Amino acid sequence: GAGVSQSPSNKVTEKGKDVELRCDPISGHTALYWYRQSLGQGLEFLIYFQGNSAPDKSGLPSDRFSAERTGGSVSTLTIQRTQQEDSAVYLCASRQGAGNSPLHFGNGTRLTVT
Amino acid sequence: QKEVEQNSGPLSVPEGAIASLNCTYSDRGSQSFFWYRQYSGKSPELIMFIYSNGDKEDGRFTAQLNKASQYVSLLIRDSQPSDSATYLCAVNRDAGKSTFGDGTTLTVKP
Repeated sequence: GAGVSQSPSNKVTEKGKDVELRCDPISGHTALYWYRQSLGQGLEFLIYFQGNSAPDKSGLPSDRFSAERTGGSVSTLTIQRTQQEDSAVYLCASRQGAGNSPLHFGNGTRLTVT
Repeated sequence: QKEVEQNSGPLSVPEGAIASLNCTYSDRGSQSFFWYRQYSGKSPELIMFIYSNGDKEDGRFTAQLNKASQYVSLLIRDSQPSDSATYLCAVNRDAGKSTFGDGTTLTVKP
């Protein structure tokens, strides 16, 4: 596709339920990143993928968070047993392989846990 | 100490003035530096990137990098109300993650 695509754009879920957030990066971009942004805050790094492997998952807040990437393309971020503090905008970004190339962001998924 | 620090602002400048946005970083091994603009409710979009010490100009925007001082800045000349946004500084050490500052909110008053 022309840009990074994220779905759903909005998700409202009840506390304790599991959610899956999807990211489809720009075709040919080997690196894929997940960030979280709470209201009025900066971008909090969660995890990044190079191909299908995740060299750095240091930002995942707890073991309730997991992510995978298959076929070097689509990635899914899963949050189990959601809590109210998980409410935020989850941003996915991709870049061409080199670390000195800029990130291209999707429109994000706004997650609200009630 | 945060890895990337920015003044949170808000920074307010009159239309036509120069806006100066600053960023410091802690990792001396950082190699590439980016400025993103984020409008309220939108995703970040790239404004400038810089890899070498000195200045880099693109239209009304100038990025400045001083690796010895671990400092990167963004100057916006002839500021316009449409420049009102949050500006995010991001730093890369290598091919890994980009670390972001918390952003500086800029308001340009007509």
